[in-house]
Amino acid sequence: DVKVTQSSRYLVKRTGEKVFLECVQDMDHENMFWYRQDPGLGLRLIYFSYDVKMKEKGDIPEGYSVSREKKERFSLILESASTNQTSMYLCASSFPAQANYGYTFGSGTRLTVV
Amino acid sequence: RKEVEQDPGPFNVPEGATVAFNCTYSNSASQSFFWYRQDCRKEPKLLMSVYSSGNEDGRFTAQLNRASQYISLLIRDSKLSDSATYLCVVNPSNSGYALNFGKGTSLLVTP
Repeated sequence: DVKVTQSSRYLVKRTGEKVFLECVQDMDHENMFWYRQDPGLGLRLIYFSYDVKMKEKGDIPEGYSVSREKKERFSLILESASTNQTSMYLCASSFPAQANYGYTFGSGTRLTVV
Repeated sequence: RKEVEQDPGPFNVPEGATVAFNCTYSNSASQSFFWYRQDCRKEPKLLMSVYSSGNEDGRFTAQLNRASQYISLLIRDSKLSDSATYLCVVNPSNSGYALNFGKGTSLLVTP
């Protein structure tokens, strides 16, 4: 089975801190994605990457950046955490053709910014 | 933009009931369609893909109506364990590789 691993299940950070969320997949997938999920708003795409060192903005990239130095790892960076970035963050991966077959998600990181 | 719309529910049904969810999408060129299931405080997991001819997996039946741009999920003989949020997901042809997710429909199956 494809495994997508997010480094932390729960994280508490202070306003203004730089925060790194890590995601690693073990199936050689080209595509990787970062979403956030909030009650009533559903999943919203922050950034995605379809190759090493490539990145594309999603619907809500403001306040975030990403890094894809290796194929298996896709990092989400909150440059200066703010309370409105408190959310559940979900990483996902897929092969390009498997955009027709769906994603595999990591188990999520619940981030609280205080 | 609301590319994928679902009734948020909640749908409260008794065990054994049949329940149906619908979802509409705005991009007529969309390529592929899915239903995901998400349990409380867990990640979404692929329940089934939706094919033009319709498809069935046990108690679950998914249908696609391209002309009307809607997708449906039918659950027969509901179990308590079916309680979850069901996400309608669409792969639009013009957005590269990123899927569009509906906000989900909440189902609660009661004894």
